[in-house]
Parts: sequence; structure tokens; C-alpha cells
Amino acid sequence: QVQLQQWGAGLLKPSETLSLTCAVHGGSFSDYYWTWVRQSPGKGLEWIGETNRGGSTNYNPSLKSRVTISVDTSKNEFSLKLASVTAADAAVYYCASRQYCSVGRCHFSSWGQGTLVTVSS
Amino acid sequence: DIQMTQSPSSLSASVGDRVTITCRASQFVSNYLNWYQQKPGKAPDVLIYAASTLQSGVPSRFSGSGSGTNFTLTISSLQPEDFATYFCQQTYNIPPVTFGQGTRLEVK
Repeated sequence: QVQLQQWGAGLLKPSETLSLTCAVHGGSFSDYYWTWVRQSPGKGLEWIGETNRGGSTNYNPSLKSRVTISVDTSKNEFSLKLASVTAADAAVYYCASRQYCSVGRCHFSSWGQGTLVTVSS
Repeated sequence: DIQMTQSPSSLSASVGDRVTITCRASQFVSNYLNWYQQKPGKAPDVLIYAASTLQSGVPSRFSGSGSGTNFTLTISSLQPEDFATYFCQQTYNIPPVTFGQGTRLEVK
């Protein structure tokens, strides 16, 4: 069973870059897509994007211009950077894992504990 | 993007009630439809994946059905620990993965 532990700065000023990292414990790092999701009261759950062991990425088109998701296979970690944050980016950010999709089996099986990000000058 | 619409947005029910939540996709998603339960301050947990497959460890009172664009989550007999928020999610067309807006299940 994969376990995810995430960390990063929780208080940012407008225009700064959000940076979060998620460590993967257990399971095979090669068997999953590694994902970031955020949740705010106004917008519910929003998928940010994902990467895999090879560094292939998929991003939400609504955030693509500001998002970078990267992977460090030597540490079994993956990271999120979101540039030029505004108050609209305030949310709880989660890392999550999903196995490669097969016959409808394509869900987020493990989640990190969440990081509350506040944006304030 | 595929839009996911859940109904109702909130629901009041009592222990022992049978509850049904629906999720409609704006486009065909086959059976790439998942249901999650979220309790306050916690990350979501998967209940049902592939529209109708119960995640290991999830009580059998939870069930899912549907295919294509219309899906339902049913709780056959509500237990106290089931009062939470429920989300549907499509993973048929990535990017992006999209979620329903959530259904808050409250005690009547």
C-alpha cells in the first residue's frame, strides 16, 4: 500500500511561487501516475496535473501556463510548483496516486495528508 | 473538459435510511467513474471505482451503478459514520480529470 507524505510552505504572498513536495513510501514508484489536486470552498476538487516515473506530464489546461510537476526518482518524490499565485490559488493541496488505467480501473488510491495554502500580502 | 454534475448538492437522512446520489457526465465516460467519501479535515477516500467495483475494505452497504453518462451511488442502510461528503470523478478523458461538485450528507 502506497503512503504519501507531503510538505511545503503554507503562507505565500501574491506573485510568489507555491512549492510542495510529496514523498512516496511503499509500492512501486514505476506503477503509478503521481498527481496533485487542490480543494477550495469555492471550486471544490480541482485536478492540477500529474507525472510518472519517466517524467511524462499531464496538466489541467486551466493552470498549465503556471504549473510544473516534476519527479525525483532517486528520492521517490514528486513536486509541484505553481507560479504567480493569487488569492484564487488559496486551497488545500493534496498529492495522490493512481495506477495506469485499465478497463475502467483508474482511480486515486492513495492521498497525502493535505497542505493548507494561504495567499495574503 | 467533461463536466460532472451531482445531485442533490446536500441531503438530510437518518440512520438506517437508503440513500441514492446521482452523477451525470456531460460526455460519454464509459465506466471510468469513481466515487469518493470525504470527512472534514481529511483527504477523500475511494469507495467505488470503475462505476461499480467496491474498493477493498469498503462496507457492502455501498454500491455503484451506471455506464456512459449516468451513474448512481447507493448506501443501502446509513450508518453514523457515513455522514460525510461524496464526490464522483471521471478519469475517461485525461487531461483533465474532473470531479463533481460534491454531495453533503447530513443527519436529519
